[in-house]
Amino acid sequence: DAGVTQSPTHLIKTRGQHVTLRCSPISGHKSVSWYQQVLGQGPQFIFQYYEKEERGRGNFPDRFSARQFPNYSSELNVNALLLGDSALYLCASSSSGVEGEKLFFGSGTQLSVL
Amino acid sequence: DQQVKQNSPSLSVQEGRISILNCDYTNSMFDYFLWYKKYPAEGPTFLISISSIKDKNEDGRFTVFLNKSAKHLSLHIVPSQPGDSAVYFCAARLNTGNQFYFGTGTSLTVIP
Repeated sequence: DAGVTQSPTHLIKTRGQHVTLRCSPISGHKSVSWYQQVLGQGPQFIFQYYEKEERGRGNFPDRFSARQFPNYSSELNVNALLLGDSALYLCASSSSGVEGEKLFFGSGTQLSVL
Repeated sequence: DQQVKQNSPSLSVQEGRISILNCDYTNSMFDYFLWYKKYPAEGPTFLISISSIKDKNEDGRFTVFLNKSAKHLSLHIVPSQPGDSAVYFCAARLNTGNQFYFGTGTSLTVIP
């Protein structure tokens, strides 16, 4: 079975640009979450979506937005990129929005902002 | 505000011995605790979890202990193998079910 897939794997952008990251969850999983991992830190929660609805939002500015599609795949959008947005962006899926106690992660998108 | 803390950034253990990784938390609203293993250039891989209503969970060489009164959990790996060398993250889930908090990780090196 395919795991969580993310694209692209690497991305280089300049300050002020916009970026879209994509994620496909494990088949049958309806919940998708996004996490940001800065070097030397643990993943930090950005968003959770379940059945196309936002169920949670972390402490990130409005420049960050996301959506989930009818096939449960998801996009994370970041506008007006800052140098501090450089990080590994992880997508995770779980089997249920409120009862899934395990997150299954993709390999991430490494974003570099120059 | 770091609600999940791993105070040891690194740990070295001889092959065959026990590895003990520690984690502390501050929020009593966490209902699940998990350990993830991470290799470079890969996403975290789920290892083992424990519900807040239990104090121990075992899966093969891996055992997680939870001490709710101390707000502390630990991961024991016995016996340690060189393939266990990785960064280990402790994580906790809010009882609203929508958000996980991660520690900063402990880099485990198992020396052959």
